[in-house]
Amino acid sequence: AQSVTQPDIHITVSEGASLELRCNYSYGATPYLFWYVQSPGQGLQLLLKYFSGDTLVQGIKGFEAEFKRSQSSFNLRKPSVHWSDAAEYFCALYALTGGGNKLTFGTGTQLKVEL
Amino acid sequence: DVKVTQSSRYLVKRTGEKVFLECVQDMDHENMFWYRQDPGLGLRLIYFSYDVKMKEKGDIPEGYSVSREKKERFSLILESASTNQTSMYLCASSGRDREAYEQYFGPGTRLTVT
Repeated sequence: AQSVTQPDIHITVSEGASLELRCNYSYGATPYLFWYVQSPGQGLQLLLKYFSGDTLVQGIKGFEAEFKRSQSSFNLRKPSVHWSDAAEYFCALYALTGGGNKLTFGTGTQLKVEL
Repeated sequence: DVKVTQSSRYLVKRTGEKVFLECVQDMDHENMFWYRQDPGLGLRLIYFSYDVKMKEKGDIPEGYSVSREKKERFSLILESASTNQTSMYLCASSGRDREAYEQYFGPGTRLTVT
């Protein structure tokens, strides 16, 4: 069965500093990978996705992520964090099951931004 | 823009009550999903549906049922609410083929069972 691990429950960074959120996955086939962001009291918004091809993918709000097959990782990065980036971030893996489709989510990383 | 709406943002119910959570999407999506979100556990799939009147169990279906009578509407039903069902409930939808991989989420319903 597939799984997604986000090893950091909470991360605090200063505004303007760089950010990297870690995501590791376990899956027996080529993964489709996603990063979602959830602002307080809101639903999830898709930041970026990886299906195939270029292993460095660009997303919205200045975020990017790099797929590394050898490390089973899909880490999210941003060169300079803004106070509005404070939110919870979820990594997810798409797996095809019989008769439907499903996403498997990590447990999330809560990002705090210090001014 | 895809819009997924949920009938209530906040809901308070008593133990033993029957609870309906409604979700509507306006993009003619085939697939619809119900998740619950709990601190430290992330999102867990309760049920999903890939067509009208079709449903599949997710990872934690116990205590829940669903209904999809129309393509745009997917309802989650708690037959007899219990305190351990206090949680945030998120609905999502996705299209077909390559669009099936990208899910769009509603704002969530925070349910408290007392």
